[in-house]
Formats: sequence, structure tokens, C-alpha cells
Amino acid sequence: AQSVAQPEDQVNVAEGNPLTVKCTYSVSGNPYLFWYVQYPNRGLQFLLKYITGDNLVKGSYGFEAEFNKSQTSFHLKKPSALVSDSALYFCAVSAYNFNKFYFGSGTKLNVKP
Amino acid sequence: DAGVTQSPTHLIKTRGQHVTLRCSPISGHKSVSWYQQVLGQGPQFIFQYYEKEERGRGNFPDRFSARQFPNYSSELNVNALLLGDSALYLCASSLSQGLFSGNTIYFGEGSWLTVV
Repeated sequence: AQSVAQPEDQVNVAEGNPLTVKCTYSVSGNPYLFWYVQYPNRGLQFLLKYITGDNLVKGSYGFEAEFNKSQTSFHLKKPSALVSDSALYFCAVSAYNFNKFYFGSGTKLNVKP
Repeated sequence: DAGVTQSPTHLIKTRGQHVTLRCSPISGHKSVSWYQQVLGQGPQFIFQYYEKEERGRGNFPDRFSARQFPNYSSELNVNALLLGDSALYLCASSLSQGLFSGNTIYFGEGSWLTVV
């Protein structure tokens, strides 16, 4: 069975500091991993994905994520947080040849000025 | 180009009624998926359609049904509404079925359904 765990309900960081939002996954076969961001009362916006290739993936708005197969993790990172990064972040995994995603429960990121 | 568009954006229904939600994918996208997001949770997969055929179904009762039209737009229908069906319903589109580097899944803004 496929699943995603986001162990932190909330992450608090100060503006300008680096941020990390954690994600671990369980999947049969090769994982396809994604990060999406959701602002209040909005849909999901695509940030980045790992399909194959380099373990370090760069995405939108300065975000990046590192795929670690041995630790089954795909943590989201940003070197310098902005107040406007405050939102709900979802990690998702798929292991099938169609677009069925399994989402984590989400992590609320609070960036304080 | 317009993104994924969904309608209506908000609606209130009474228990036992039925609802139809609509989705227009990004131009050129042939795959549409539907997700339910209950408040405080991550989205849950309901259906995927590709080339007008159902290609995947999540763990939802038969009250939930969907279809895809020749222009690749899609409808999600829910019959005999329950209070627990109150959620944000998200539509997602992609170029084609399958996960490969050139294929990304984009979500619409969603339809907020409240069942009273």
C-alpha cells in the first residue's frame, strides 16, 4: 500500500531563516513524489516533483527537495523563508502508471517577520 | 492559457439531494482526476478519467460517479448527500495518463460543498 507521512502538523520559522518541511513515504515500486502548496480557501499549486534522475529537485518560488531512497524521505527545503511562504504544504506520492496520488495530512508553515 | 476551471465555487445542499460539479481541464490536457479534501485533511482520490474512460477509482461509495466528455471536461456527481460529504472537491488535469518527466498534474481552485 502507498502512504505518505508528514510528521509535523506545523512548522514555525523566522523570515530569512532556512526552512524544512518533512515527508516520508511508503510505496511498492519506484516512487513518484510531489510537493503542492495550498493557500487559504484555494486549490493546490504545484511546487516540484521527483520522477527520476538527480536526487535534488528544484522547483517554484525557490523551493527544493531532496529524494533519499534509503530513508524513504522527500523533505522540502528553502534557504531563506519569506512571510509569503506561510501556507499549507502537502507531500504526495504515486507508484502507478496513472495519476492517483496519495497525499499526506499537510504541514502548516508559519513564517514570522 | 486558462488553468483548470471548476464550477460552482461554493454551494449548499440538503441531505439526500444530489449535486453535480464541473471541471474544465487545461487546454490540451486529456486526463482529469477528482479528489475530496475534508477540512483539516489531505485530498483523497476519487476518480481518474483519461480519453473519456474511467482509469482509476478510489475508496468511495457508489453514490459518487463521474464522466468525461468528448471535449475532455468532466462532471462529478454525488447522490443521496450526507453531512460527511461536506468538503472541497478538487479537479486535477494533466496532459496524459501516467507519470513521466514531462507530465505534471495541475489542480483547480475547487468546489466547496456544504451539506446541511
